[in-house]
Amino acid sequence: AQSVTQLGSHVSVSEGALVLLRCNYSSSVPPYLFWYVQYPNQGLQLLLKYTTGATLVKGINGFEAEFKKSETSFHLTKPSAHMSDAAEYFCAVNTRSGGSNYKLTFGKGTLLTVNP
Amino acid sequence: DAMVIQNPRYQVTQFGKPVTLSCSQTLNHNVMYWYQQKSSQAPKLLFHYYDKDFNNEADTPDNFQSRRPNTSFCFLDIRSPGLGDAAMYLCATSRDVGKLFFGSGTQLSVL
Repeated sequence: AQSVTQLGSHVSVSEGALVLLRCNYSSSVPPYLFWYVQYPNQGLQLLLKYTTGATLVKGINGFEAEFKKSETSFHLTKPSAHMSDAAEYFCAVNTRSGGSNYKLTFGKGTLLTVNP
Repeated sequence: DAMVIQNPRYQVTQFGKPVTLSCSQTLNHNVMYWYQQKSSQAPKLLFHYYDKDFNNEADTPDNFQSRRPNTSFCFLDIRSPGLGDAAMYLCATSRDVGKLFFGSGTQLSVL
């Protein structure tokens, strides 16, 4: 079974500082990995995803993540935090559910706070 | 522009009174999901439809059921809501592997 662990339920950074949100996964097969962002009282929006190919993946809003198989990690980074980045971030791994059917398993989330 | 639409945005029901949440999509995706998300927790998959095939999660209570009359619509029925069922309910659709499109959710309160 696949699972996702997000280290740190709350991360606080200053505006302009580096953002680093950590995600480790467990998977018995090559994983598909995702980062979603959730703003207050809204649904989830896909930031970026890794399926195959280049291990450094660029997403929306200046975020990127690197798939490191040896470390079973998929950490999310952004060089310079903006106030609008304050939100909850979820790492997720794909789980095959029979045939070509897939479902997503989410980590517990990391709340990012950006201080002025 | 809304692609996955959930109505209503907020739903209040009484303890034990059946309630239905609705979801519609304009994406023509073959897979539709219902997630339950409680405060400060990860979304938890309740069930999903792959076309007309219903897939229930093993730990989804029998109190929760779903209907998908056509590609565009999917309903979540809670037969006898308890206080513990108060949560945000998220509908999502997908066609590609793992790229889910989420609605804005329905916040359910149980009085």
